[in-house]
Amino acid sequence: QQQVKQSPQSLIVQKGGISIINCAYENTAFDYFPWYQQFPGKGPALLIAIRPDVSEKKEGRFTISFNKSAKQFSLHIMDSQPGDSATYFCAASERTGGSYIPTFGRGTSLIVHP
Amino acid sequence: SQTIHQWPATLVQPVGSPLSLECTVEGTSNPNLYWYRQAAGRGLQLLFYSVGIGQISSEVPQNLSASRPQDRQFILSSKKLLLSDSGFYLCAWSAGQGDTGELFFGEGSRLTVL
Repeated sequence: QQQVKQSPQSLIVQKGGISIINCAYENTAFDYFPWYQQFPGKGPALLIAIRPDVSEKKEGRFTISFNKSAKQFSLHIMDSQPGDSATYFCAASERTGGSYIPTFGRGTSLIVHP
Repeated sequence: SQTIHQWPATLVQPVGSPLSLECTVEGTSNPNLYWYRQAAGRGLQLLFYSVGIGQISSEVPQNLSASRPQDRQFILSSKKLLLSDSGFYLCAWSAGQGDTGELFFGEGSRLTVL
């Protein structure tokens, strides 16, 4: 059973446009929602994360919007650049025994055309 | 600063052969350690995680096993590889004490089973 559903699977955006990736979760015990960025042949790296006590977090061109009642969160990339072309994973974590064990979405392949 | 090393980077193995992937973390102590497998279109699948030496939790029953012989060393093994074991294997760590939820991934090991 997929606990974190991510869409779309792939996304093509023109340079300067807005990229939007959505995720939905089921487990209400999740309390940490990170987004990871992965370039080809590399390991993922944390891009931005949010906790459920806020509805939005912005870091530069990247914004997470979080809707606790709908159990959904999304990543918005403003002014998308070709260098943003990568695979993006959302995740949701529940603190268990002092540690967070994340569940990942299936990823979105973003291509930004120059 | 903390670093994570994973090797080998690429590996081509015949069906039925053994496997050993190694991961070490430097610059931190008592980390939580994780093994993920990434297959195309299926996101990041958690295979094993460990909160301490000799403490291994398995998330997916299969012919793979993991061991943590030292605090900052995590090994993924198999006695007999299957074709379905092909994939991109990622080691990751998070802070054991004061875990914020952020995972730090290695560069990955690409395994092809022929």
